[in-house]
Amino acid sequence: AQKVTQAQTEISVVEKEDVTLDCVYETRDTTYYLFWYKQPPSGELVFLIRRNSFDEQNEISGRYSWNFQKSTSSFNFTITASQVVDSAVYFCALSEARGSGYSTLTFGKGTMLLVSP
Amino acid sequence: DAGVTQSPTHLIKTRGQQVTLRCSPKSGHDTVSWYQQALGQGPQFIFQYYEEEERQRGNFPDRFSGHQFPNYSSELNVNALLLGDSALYLCASRRQGALRYTFGSGTRLTVV
Repeated sequence: AQKVTQAQTEISVVEKEDVTLDCVYETRDTTYYLFWYKQPPSGELVFLIRRNSFDEQNEISGRYSWNFQKSTSSFNFTITASQVVDSAVYFCALSEARGSGYSTLTFGKGTMLLVSP
Repeated sequence: DAGVTQSPTHLIKTRGQQVTLRCSPKSGHDTVSWYQQALGQGPQFIFQYYEEEERQRGNFPDRFSGHQFPNYSSELNVNALLLGDSALYLCASRRQGALRYTFGSGTRLTVV
């Protein structure tokens, strides 16, 4: 069974601070995909990043960066120079790689990020 | 290009009633999934439809059923509503085989 754990329930920062959201996952699959989604108060889940299990290269995309470590089953997400508009609930998710194409997403419980001016 | 459209946005039902939620996928997408998100929790997978058939199902009772139409739109039906069914119901669409899901804003169901 797959499981995603986001231990941080809520994080509060002041604008321009860097913030890292933690994610730990469990899966028996050797090939899988990891995601980060953002959920603003409107409710829609907004895709942020995706990582394949066979590519541990960490990247930076604008103010977002991520640290994927297979050895510790972690997929942490960092926002640099946070802004008030970053305030939202952030979800880490895991998807198996099914040859049939019928993959599904397993989500963590989310981390609420509050960025104050 | 419209994204995923869900209706209604809010709904209040009485315990024991039945409800139907609707989803129109993003243009070009043919696979629809439904998720239930209880307050303060992450979304939980209900089921996935492709080619008008249920392809995957999560750990939800048979009271939850769905349908996909030839135009790829989908419905989620819940019978014999319980108070615990109160949640945000999210629809997600994608092209079959693709990894990127597009989510709708959800339907907020309140059971009283």
